[in-house]
Amino acid sequence: NAGVTQTPKFQVLKTGQSMTLQCAQDMNHNSMYWYRQDPGMGLRLIYYSASEGTTDKGEVPNGYNVSRLNKREFSLRLESAAPSQTSVYFCASSASGQSVMFLFFGSGTQLSVL
Amino acid sequence: GDSVTQMEGPVTLSEEAFLTINCTYTATGYPSLFWYVQYPGEGLQLLLKATKADDKGSNKGFEATYRKETTSFHLEKGSVQVSDSAVYFCALKRGETGGFKTIFGAGTRLFVKA
Repeated sequence: NAGVTQTPKFQVLKTGQSMTLQCAQDMNHNSMYWYRQDPGMGLRLIYYSASEGTTDKGEVPNGYNVSRLNKREFSLRLESAAPSQTSVYFCASSASGQSVMFLFFGSGTQLSVL
Repeated sequence: GDSVTQMEGPVTLSEEAFLTINCTYTATGYPSLFWYVQYPGEGLQLLLKATKADDKGSNKGFEATYRKETTSFHLEKGSVQVSDSAVYFCALKRGETGGFKTIFGAGTRLFVKA
């Protein structure tokens, strides 16, 4: 039972470098999400994909891009990393867009931008 | 806009003590309400949920009741264990008009001492 798999688990970048965080789910879920977690701020939604072929901005999309590669995979790209993007990033999925459907989370990526 | 407010932590309790973590929300309509738990080094996982007024969610000895009149969803447990030490997040999710997005509180860290 893999669930939601994120890679890498840890990453250190220099300011201005780029990288892509990968996420895959094996539960046949329609919807996928990227959140960032910062101390005292809970989780904030960066981007989400309600279904394959669609993506939408969340609360804090600036500096990020996403790709819903197929139903299983949803990647997050930082084109030019900034220290303000130092955070823990979580990918999540849910069975559908209905309000009662809850989120399944990956184990997170700890990103430090120096 | 929608929001979730949780009591600030950390909360420190002795084993077998009674736990309450307060959560209130602001949302239009009738959101679904959730409690998620994050153990050290892991992603969030669903603890319990409630989908309509007066519903009680329960799991692993934890309970929370959806109170529409007070817009609250307080988490309780009668006797905590050391293994309950974690960060607890209250969250809400609205249906179609809310874009199926989950809004999280800032989280409350719980320490349980033996």
